[in-house]
Amino acid sequence: GDSVTQMEGPVTLSEEAFLTINCTYTATGYPSLFWYVQYPGEGLQLLLKATKADDKGSNKGFEATYRKETTSFHLEKGSVQVSDSAVYFCALSFPQAGTALIFGKGTTLSVSS
Amino acid sequence: KAGVTQTPRYLIKTRGQQVTLSCSPISGHRSVSWYQQTPGQGLQFLFEYFSETQRNKGNFPGRFSGRQFSNSRSEMNVSTLELGDSALYLCASSHGMAGAGETQYFGPGTRLLVL
Repeated sequence: GDSVTQMEGPVTLSEEAFLTINCTYTATGYPSLFWYVQYPGEGLQLLLKATKADDKGSNKGFEATYRKETTSFHLEKGSVQVSDSAVYFCALSFPQAGTALIFGKGTTLSVSS
Repeated sequence: KAGVTQTPRYLIKTRGQQVTLSCSPISGHRSVSWYQQTPGQGLQFLFEYFSETQRNKGNFPGRFSGRQFSNSRSEMNVSTLELGDSALYLCASSHGMAGAGETQYFGPGTRLLVL
């Protein structure tokens, strides 16, 4: 079945470091791809999304490009801040088929000053 | 605009009991989806309600059920609780059907502990 695989965490970085969180997916067809973020004690928030191949989603300095050839949607940020410490979830869905979100297991990011 | 609210935030129950969780969506949103989050299984979709009808269902046993009211508020019920039902239950609302690609807005969750 369809699935999402994220890199194992936790990821520990110093402030202003470059961030990459890997995400690959297995799906029949071409899903929409999402990154959600969960701050401590809060629900998930949509960070960015891409709906077709080569689309780049971006928000708050974070970027991810939908790579059909490698079935990937890696999250990147050039300079992380302490406030970026959270759990990041990669997810997919098939809007045309009306399917629900399928999430990866999540990657915990911890940024220290 | 107020966000998605869930009540209660924390709950402790014993095996065999039943529990009802409540979710109030963002005003104007007609879709409510429920997810279970556990350390082992991650985030898993339970079901989605739109205009008081269940539109989509995940792979959970019949002990998990839900409903939606005319004001779009939703409840989910778990009967005959098992230890493995301990989890954070998240509710998400969207204007249109989530399965159609609408952006979902999540509540803070209800943390259920089954003893």
